[in-house]
Amino acid sequence: DAGVIQSPRHEVTEMGQEVTLRCKPISGHNSLFWYRQTMMRGLELLIYFNNNVPIDDSGMPEDRFSAKMPNASFSTLKIQPSEPRDSAVYFCASSGPGTGGGEAGGYTFGSGTRLTVV
Amino acid sequence: AQSVTQLDSQVPVFEEAPVELRCNYSSSVSVYLFWYVQYPNQGLQLLLKYLSGSTLVKGINGFEAEFNKSQTSFHLRKPSVHISDTAEYFCARGVGFKTIFGAGTRLFVKA
Repeated sequence: DAGVIQSPRHEVTEMGQEVTLRCKPISGHNSLFWYRQTMMRGLELLIYFNNNVPIDDSGMPEDRFSAKMPNASFSTLKIQPSEPRDSAVYFCASSGPGTGGGEAGGYTFGSGTRLTVV
Repeated sequence: AQSVTQLDSQVPVFEEAPVELRCNYSSSVSVYLFWYVQYPNQGLQLLLKYLSGSTLVKGINGFEAEFNKSQTSFHLRKPSVHISDTAEYFCARGVGFKTIFGAGTRLFVKA
């Protein structure tokens, strides 16, 4: 199993540009989570999907952020327009019926995308 | 709100010494607790979890944690650390589908 795959690993973009981060969860996992990690705020849950449906997006900072999961094997997180304060490491994680979600087990994390907005 | 608190932001320790990373949780009827490790430039990796049953939980890499209901704690321990254990460690609790993470403790193992 290749694990949770995120791309790109690093992204440097100019303020105002659109940024798209990608995630491929583990096959068979039915929950997917997007987190943001910064020194100041630690790990923040942005949004999570269950069976491709967004369940809770209360962590999405503002309308500039959007996330989609068109099928069970792919999700995107888009920032448009990007701002310097969006610079962070963005993680995707997945969990499945076998491993469970928050209460029943644990997550498998991707390696993250380090976003720098200049 | 259900939460976890990691009491130390940094823990320096010499190689082969024992270590304890402290975590307290806010009391609740049901508690599901986890420890994750994050090595530099990597994602988080599950070390161990407590869902129910035995209060002493053994995980990977020689780590273990003890669930203490009376003290609302879930401290992580290792009897003898290696240089390779240098990483950030996160205590977390499950709440429904979500996982709430603590602020993290940076373990720095010195030769």
